[in-house]
Amino acid sequence: GAVVSQHPSWVICKSGTSVKIECRSLDFQATTMFWYRQFPKQSLMLMATSNEGSKATYEQGVEKDKFLINHASLTLSTLTVTSAHPEDSSFYICSARPTGLSPLHFGNGTRLTVT
Amino acid sequence: AQSVAQPEDQVNVAEGNPLTVKCTYSVSGNPYLFWYVQYPNRGLQFLLKYITGDNLVKGSYGFEAEFNKSQTSFHLKKPSALVSDSALYFCAVRDLLYYGQNFVFGPGTRLSVLP
Repeated sequence: GAVVSQHPSWVICKSGTSVKIECRSLDFQATTMFWYRQFPKQSLMLMATSNEGSKATYEQGVEKDKFLINHASLTLSTLTVTSAHPEDSSFYICSARPTGLSPLHFGNGTRLTVT
Repeated sequence: AQSVAQPEDQVNVAEGNPLTVKCTYSVSGNPYLFWYVQYPNRGLQFLLKYITGDNLVKGSYGFEAEFNKSQTSFHLKKPSALVSDSALYFCAVRDLLYYGQNFVFGPGTRLSVLP
């Protein structure tokens, strides 16, 4: 149980375009989902907390206008990288948990390459 | 504030030998501790957790971890390493005193099991 699906697994886009990444909780409802960014050989950096039905909470230094988060239902959160630039190339991972004391369950990540 | 340290960037061990991946933490209240494993270009997989009870916690794939409150440590162990255990391991903590707080992840330790 507690499966999180993330799509796409990888995407290549041109500089200036936007990319949407989906995160779905398949067998549980998640009022909160988390978006992380991971640089090569580094740990996860929390970007934002996605809240169903309300605005996302962004971590300090993360541009909310660049990384748009929408959590329209209890099973789906999306991260849109707007006007992507090569420096946005990274591995993006979402996670969610069924209850407050559950472990986080992670999607398989999305490798974004901006050319 | 909560924090996690993994003092070793890399751990090498021969197949069949016991392995230990170290983790120390700092929280204001009681810790809620986790170990995750990440394979290349994948999300994180949950291995085990400690919240209360027996200090020795058993998890997936034969892994276990020992909670030591006096040393504020939560080292990951396995009696006999497999080549397939080679991956990136993350320790994470949540402070139970602050229910709404997010998980904090350590920097990760790369485990290489040599045949």
